[in-house]
Amino acid sequence: NAGVTQTPKFRILKIGQSMTLQCTQDMNHNYMYWYRQDPGMGLKLIYYSVGAGITDKGEVPNGYNVSRSTTEDFPLRLELAAPSQTSVYFCASSLGTGEAFFGQGTRLTVV
Amino acid sequence: DQQVKQNSPSLSVQEGRISILNCDYTNSMFDYFLWYKKYPAEGPTFLISISSIKDKNEDGRFTVFLNKSAKHLSLHIVPSQPGDSAVYFCAAPSQAGTALIFGKGTTLSVSS
Repeated sequence: NAGVTQTPKFRILKIGQSMTLQCTQDMNHNYMYWYRQDPGMGLKLIYYSVGAGITDKGEVPNGYNVSRSTTEDFPLRLELAAPSQTSVYFCASSLGTGEAFFGQGTRLTVV
Repeated sequence: DQQVKQNSPSLSVQEGRISILNCDYTNSMFDYFLWYKKYPAEGPTFLISISSIKDKNEDGRFTVFLNKSAKHLSLHIVPSQPGDSAVYFCAAPSQAGTALIFGKGTTLSVSS
């Protein structure tokens, strides 16, 4: 099993550009999440999904969008990238409210 | 408002000694806690958890203690090894049960 796979691993965006961070999991987990980690700030929840077709905002959703058309995939869309979105992004999945499994992260720099 | 707090950004310990990482929480409704470990350029990985019906959970060199009256938990690593050098996050499921809430993390450095 690959677990949670994120692509790309690194990306540099110019201000105002858009991109999609891909996330897929092969554990048949219903719950999926996007977190961002800023230096010294822990992980903050951007969006989450409790199943295909269901998404909801987390703590820091502004500037992002998500969709969940299948159990496996949970892409994160950045529209009009801003320097404040420079961060490391982690996708995760879980069966429920217990242990979550994380991808290796996407390091995004907006210049 | 931080519901899960790790007030020590860093901790340095010598190899073979005990490492104690602390975590405080504000929501008395939290009933399950997890510790994650994160190496640079990798995603966090689950380390150990504890339910509020227990006050201790042990897994090899790792033990988590929970003090519900103080809303405090701690992770003990004995003996510490250089490979334990990483960032450790304390986490708890949100009250709605929809996602994990993380502390800011503590960077542990174990020197040989």
